[in-house]
Amino acid sequence: ETGVTQTPRHLVMGMTNKKSLKCEQHLGHNAMYWYKQSAKKPLELMFVYNFKEQTENNSVPSRFSPECPNSSHLFLHLHTLQPEDSALYLCASSPRTSGEETQYFGPGTRLLVL
Amino acid sequence: GESVGLHLPTLSVQEGDNSIINCAYSNSASDYFIWYKQESGKGPQFIIDIRSNMDKRQGQRVTVLLNKTVKHLSLQIAATQPGDSAVYFCAEKDRGAQKLVFGQGTRLTINP
Repeated sequence: ETGVTQTPRHLVMGMTNKKSLKCEQHLGHNAMYWYKQSAKKPLELMFVYNFKEQTENNSVPSRFSPECPNSSHLFLHLHTLQPEDSALYLCASSPRTSGEETQYFGPGTRLLVL
Repeated sequence: GESVGLHLPTLSVQEGDNSIINCAYSNSASDYFIWYKQESGKGPQFIIDIRSNMDKRQGQRVTVLLNKTVKHLSLQIAATQPGDSAVYFCAEKDRGAQKLVFGQGTRLTINP
């Protein structure tokens, strides 16, 4: 699990706050992903980056803004979130984005929006 | 449309028994399937995968079975141990896509 790290592990923020989630992978992978995991719902893919380029935006509201400065780091910038955005946000990485390569997940950031 | 779902949200088994977790999918174009395990406070962890040209694949204490005729996927865990307690997700990939679609998950609990 230390292959993909995420900080912070827990975050509480108000609807007017701006915060950022950080993900770092130490596996030498070229693809990175953000997922949202809500209670009693399947994992929802949010964004995909391949070689630092965004290749997928799964109709995510603009209050979520991803950033991938290099293949090892991925950020998710948050602003003016809503209470329904409270969830576990998971980062993952894989060698490429073929879909048939194992994605390695981080432990997630549990976000609570008040 | 594509959908991946699980027959049961929870499953309880006796320690030492075999566990079978089921998954149904509706996309006939799915060509790759994967099982993940998620323990409390952790991210999903890869267990085993299978491509559509196979019916069965075995790992260490786990077996995945794929029945394309009825679009059904199952994960069998032999001699279930307390450490197997977790939520298990199936996921599938469409032949023409590059992303995985995850099911809702089944919580497996082990009775001593």
